[in-house]
Amino acid sequence: DAMVIQNPRYQVTQFGKPVTLSCSQTLNHNVMYWYQQKSSQAPKLLFHYYDKDFNNEADTPDNFQSRRPNTSFCFLDIRSPGLGDAAMYLCATSRASSVEQFFGPGTRLTVL
Amino acid sequence: RKEVEQDPGPFNVPEGATVAFNCTYSNSASQSFFWYRQDCRKEPKLLMSVYSSGNEDGRFTAQLNRASQYISLLIRDSKLSDSATYLCVVNRGGYNKLIFGAGTRLAVHP
Repeated sequence: DAMVIQNPRYQVTQFGKPVTLSCSQTLNHNVMYWYQQKSSQAPKLLFHYYDKDFNNEADTPDNFQSRRPNTSFCFLDIRSPGLGDAAMYLCATSRASSVEQFFGPGTRLTVL
Repeated sequence: RKEVEQDPGPFNVPEGATVAFNCTYSNSASQSFFWYRQDCRKEPKLLMSVYSSGNEDGRFTAQLNRASQYISLLIRDSKLSDSATYLCVVNRGGYNKLIFGAGTRLAVHP
């Protein structure tokens, strides 16, 4: 049973063309996270939501935005993708009281 | 300097070997420590938490040395299925923010 679902699994976009990645969860967790992972690098936290409270990391570019319309869904919007934004984007969830995070399978983004 | 540092490997070992991974972290305020496993092109999955007293889960043993800011993972009797990247992860507190190392790649061969 999938608990953290990401769609699409693979996304190809053109340089500068806005793209939205989707994450949904069946765990009813308070906290949802978006990470960027480039090849052979550590996952890097972009931002997270604690319920409806949005928390941006200081070094996350303005090009990256997020929306959480309800507990179950969270979106990552890349306003003007550059070649350097090609990466795996991982969504994760956790209960506020627990350190364990549950990851989705990721969306691999290619920018042409 | 990265906040969490790991030897990238790869570690190429035969089945049945014992292999040890090391990790150092720079922020002394770090509160919780973990090892995650990530298979090629898949998501990270929690392997085990790491406690100061050391903890064991089957063939896997994790150790934490807070004074040296050092974390280790020992895998005994390696299996082919252990081939993966092992990520050292530190939590600084506050909404469970996790800081990942870049991972150590393990390849177990027959």
